[in-house]
Amino acid sequence: EVQLVESGGGLVQPGGSLRLSCAASGFTFSSYAMHWVRQAPGKGLEYVSAISSNGGSTYYANSVKGRFTISRDNSKNTLYLQMGSLRAEDMAVYYCASGTTGAFDIWGQGTMVTVSS
Amino acid sequence: EIVMTQSPATLSVSPGERATLSCRASQSVSSNLAWYQQKPGQAPRLLIYGASTRATGIPARFSGSGSGTEFTLTISSLQSEDFAVYYCQQYNNWPPLFGQGTKLEIK
Repeated sequence: EVQLVESGGGLVQPGGSLRLSCAASGFTFSSYAMHWVRQAPGKGLEYVSAISSNGGSTYYANSVKGRFTISRDNSKNTLYLQMGSLRAEDMAVYYCASGTTGAFDIWGQGTMVTVSS
Repeated sequence: EIVMTQSPATLSVSPGERATLSCRASQSVSSNLAWYQQKPGQAPRLLIYGASTRATGIPARFSGSGSGTEFTLTISSLQSEDFAVYYCQQYNNWPPLFGQGTKLEIK
């Protein structure tokens, strides 16, 4: 079964750090770009970050640039998002996603990040 | 960045009727356009890619059309499980941004 499972979310104070993980199974993880998309409570989908299949290229939305770092370990079939200097506006459900067609046909269930003192 | 604009923000339709959702790109995205459905508490689900190709397992009542800058998602006969939020996304250029969503509600 093709699956993405996120973990690592939780409660963090403003200015704090958190690392999210996304474990992939059921497909050839190392062949595909991977993405992080977030959704603040009651809001729409916001594209956050992406990494190429070999990890050589990355992209960050302006809202997270300089604070978040995306990485992957193809030997462990795992995607990461290291988040730092967290702000209230970073509070959201974070999804990892991928796809074989350019669109995102594989999504994780999401992990909630709460930023609050 | 290519800005994706969806309309209307909210659409009220009765079960069994047809729903038509629109998505406009700020510049041409060719046919590299996807539609997603999201229900409360769930991850988005891919419905349509390539502007008109249904994803695996998606019922035939869902259809997509358009190219360039204007796209449409049509649901031919609404079922109760179709009431949800729908997002379009372009993946022709980086970054692959989403529209703001259309909430399809029961009339």
